[in-house]
Amino acid sequence: SQTIHQWPATLVQPVGSPLSLECTVEGTSNPNLYWYRQAAGRGLQLLFYSVGIGQISSEVPQNLSASRPQDRQFILSSKKLLLSDSGFYLCALEGPSTDTQYFGPGTRLTVL
Amino acid sequence: KQEVTQIPAALSVPEGENLVLNCSFTDSAIYNLQWFRQDPGKGLTSLLLIQSSQREQTSGRLNASLDKSSGRSTLYIAASQPGDSATYLCAVRPRDDYKLSFGAGTTVTVRA
Repeated sequence: SQTIHQWPATLVQPVGSPLSLECTVEGTSNPNLYWYRQAAGRGLQLLFYSVGIGQISSEVPQNLSASRPQDRQFILSSKKLLLSDSGFYLCALEGPSTDTQYFGPGTRLTVL
Repeated sequence: KQEVTQIPAALSVPEGENLVLNCSFTDSAIYNLQWFRQDPGKGLTSLLLIQSSQREQTSGRLNASLDKSSGRSTLYIAASQPGDSATYLCAVRPRDDYKLSFGAGTTVTVRA
């Protein structure tokens, strides 16, 4: 069965600092990968999704970026964090043989 | 643009009572609908996935129905237990896209 690892679990960063969140998956090959953000009191917001190595689709953020250097690795980055980047970041996978999305444990990011 | 609504936002019931959670969506051209559970500070756990051609899915005490023409899905949890306390989210996937649209969730408290 699939397993999704995310690290770090929690992170406190000052405004303007860089960010790197990592997601790795096990037990599957060639999955679709997703980054979501869940802000306090709000629903899940899709940030990026990837259907393969080096293939990234961006949904919303201006100061965030994503990369997929390997089939089972998905990285979320920022050069300069904003206060509004605070939230709970979730990595998810889908497929290739199932339509169900499976979620990782998440990273809690607080920007001060 | 797909809008997904979950009402009520919160629900408190005594142990043993059946739970009924509602999800409505505005665009009936969906590929599937998923129900998730989220415990505080945790990632999402997939409960049930209903394909657009299906009317319902069952897993143990959980039953989810789908009425695509009216844009509604209902999650039934029979004989609720305190361990069922969590936030329940529904998500809709369109026919021609990978992206899920999430509702804001219903937070359930089951009182012992």
